[in-house]
Order: sequence, then C-alpha cells, then structure tokens
Amino acid sequence: ILNVEQSPQSLHVQEGDSTNFTCSFPSSNFYALHWYRWETAKSPEALFVMTLNGDEKKKGRISATLNTKEGYSYLYIKGSQPEDSATYLCAYDKVIFGPGTSLSVIP
Amino acid sequence: GAVVSQHPSWVICKSGTSVKIECRSLDFQATTMFWYRQFPKQSLMLMATSNEGSKATYEQGVEKDKFLINHASLTLSTLTVTSAHPEDSSFYICSARGSHRGNEDTGELFFGEGSRLTVL
Repeated sequence: ILNVEQSPQSLHVQEGDSTNFTCSFPSSNFYALHWYRWETAKSPEALFVMTLNGDEKKKGRISATLNTKEGYSYLYIKGSQPEDSATYLCAYDKVIFGPGTSLSVIP
Repeated sequence: GAVVSQHPSWVICKSGTSVKIECRSLDFQATTMFWYRQFPKQSLMLMATSNEGSKATYEQGVEKDKFLINHASLTLSTLTVTSAHPEDSSFYICSARGSHRGNEDTGELFFGEGSRLTVL
C-alpha cells in the first residue's frame, strides 16, 4: 500500500517569516509528485508538478524541490503573508494524497 | 486555469435516500475525472476513476453498487450515493484531467469545490 506523509500537520508562523514543510512518498516506481494549495471553501489549486530527481520549481515566493531517490519533496514559502494561509497537499502520481500541512500566517 | 464546478456544495438527506453529485468541466474537455472522499482530519482518498464513455474503475474497498459513477460526456461526471446511510456522511470532491484550451494534457488536475454530505 502506497503511503504519502506530510509534516508538520500544522504550522503557525508570523507574517514575514519563511517556512518549509515536507512530503514523503515511496521512492520506487516514481512518476510524478504534485503540490496543491487548498484554501478553505475553495478548490485545491495546483502549484507544481515535479517529475525529475533534483527538480526545483518556483512560483513567486513559493518554491519546491524534489528528491526521488530518497522519496521526499520540500515546499518553501519565503516571506509568508496572511494570504498564504491554506492547507498544502502533496500527491503522489496525482491520486495518492498526503494529509496536508495546514499553514496559518499570523499578521 | 481551467474551471471545474461541483454541485451541490452541501446536502442533507435522510437515511435510505439517494444523492447525486455533479462535477462539470466548464472550459475544457475532461477525458478523465476522479472522485475522492475525505473524512475529518484524513487525506483525500481516491474512490474511483472515470473515463468518458466507459465504466469507472473503483479503488479497493469502494462499493461500486453504492457509489454509482457516470461519465457520459466530456464535461460531466456524476456520483450517486445510493441508499445513503449516516456512515456515508463525508466530504466528496472531484477532479478532472484533460486538454485545456486545445493544449496537450499538462498532467494537472483541476478540482471542484467539493460537496459535503450529511446523512441523517
């Protein structure tokens, strides 16, 4: 049974702080790793699709790295803003989701 | 980005009744749609994958006779919870994959807003 884990479960940071969280996934038969941002009462929004070991992707203040050999991906947020408050989900091969990291940015 | 609309957002029904949830891709053709269920404090769990014009593929442990999925067109998939019981109360959400504005499949999934089902 494939299992995707995320840590921490929740995170509170001050506005302006930088933060990061982890997604762990099976390293065998890797195909793709997806990151989503899910605000309350909205649809999950795709952030990154990562496929290659060593991939680094960036969108504004948010970036992600991928290590397929050891089975982890990091999501970084630089200079957190209140609007970054959301649950961040990773998904292995689109269909196996982690439980998410809930981020709250305190103004 | 592409838009997926899911309806209803929430529904309350009596035990034993059936409930239909719709998932529509508004500006692209969704060749594949996925249905998930999420219980409180748990991950999104894939229930089934539906491809337009063919029978859905259900994940292990998901009763296909209870959760009927229809994907009759490239823009609409429906999930019907038949003879609902209180244990079926959950958050159900769909996602869609397909070409967007004529482009190749980017691998992205586009999600609906989700439907919260409460069975009394």
